[in-house]
Amino acid sequence: AQSVTQLGSHVSVSEGALVLLRCNYSSSVPPYLFWYVQYPNQGLQLLLKYTSAATLVKGINGFEAEFKKSETSFHLTKPSAHMSDAAEYFCAVSHPFVGYSTLTFGKGTMLLVSP
Amino acid sequence: DTEVTQTPKHLVMGMTNKKSLKCEQHMGHRAMYWYKQKAKKPPELMFVYSYEKLSINESVPSRFSPECPNSSLLNLHLHALQPEDSALYLCASSGAGGGEKLFFGSGTQLSVL
Repeated sequence: AQSVTQLGSHVSVSEGALVLLRCNYSSSVPPYLFWYVQYPNQGLQLLLKYTSAATLVKGINGFEAEFKKSETSFHLTKPSAHMSDAAEYFCAVSHPFVGYSTLTFGKGTMLLVSP
Repeated sequence: DTEVTQTPKHLVMGMTNKKSLKCEQHMGHRAMYWYKQKAKKPPELMFVYSYEKLSINESVPSRFSPECPNSSLLNLHLHALQPEDSALYLCASSGAGGGEKLFFGSGTQLSVL
């Protein structure tokens, strides 16, 4: 079964510093991978999606993720953190079916940004 | 319009009440989902509707009853809930292809007293 593991339940960075959130996947077939962000008391917003078209995926708000098959990783990065980036981040893998797809999420990583 | 709209945003109910959560999308998506999210946990799948037919029920207790009246609407009927059912209930929709991205609503924060 396909799954994702997020390393680190909390990551703290200073404003302007590099953001690195780690996600490793387990899949016997090329996976569809996603990163979502959730602000307090909000729903989930899609940051980016990997579909095998390119290993480096650019998303919204300056985030990007690189798919590395050899490391079974799909880490999320941003060169310079903003205070507004403080939120919960979920890595997810898609399970495609006929007529729909379901998502299995990692446990999430809370990003804390200090001034 | 890329929004999934959920109402109400907050709901407090007693264990003997009957209430309904509503979800609406106008993106032409034919798959709609209910997820449950407890505090500080990832969302967990409850139900999936594809082309207005129930496709997945993840062994959810019968006190939760989903309904898909048409391709744009999804309801979750609640009856005789328990305090442990208090959570954020998220609706999502997607296209019908494989690996489609899910669009989520902002959720209904449910408290069962």
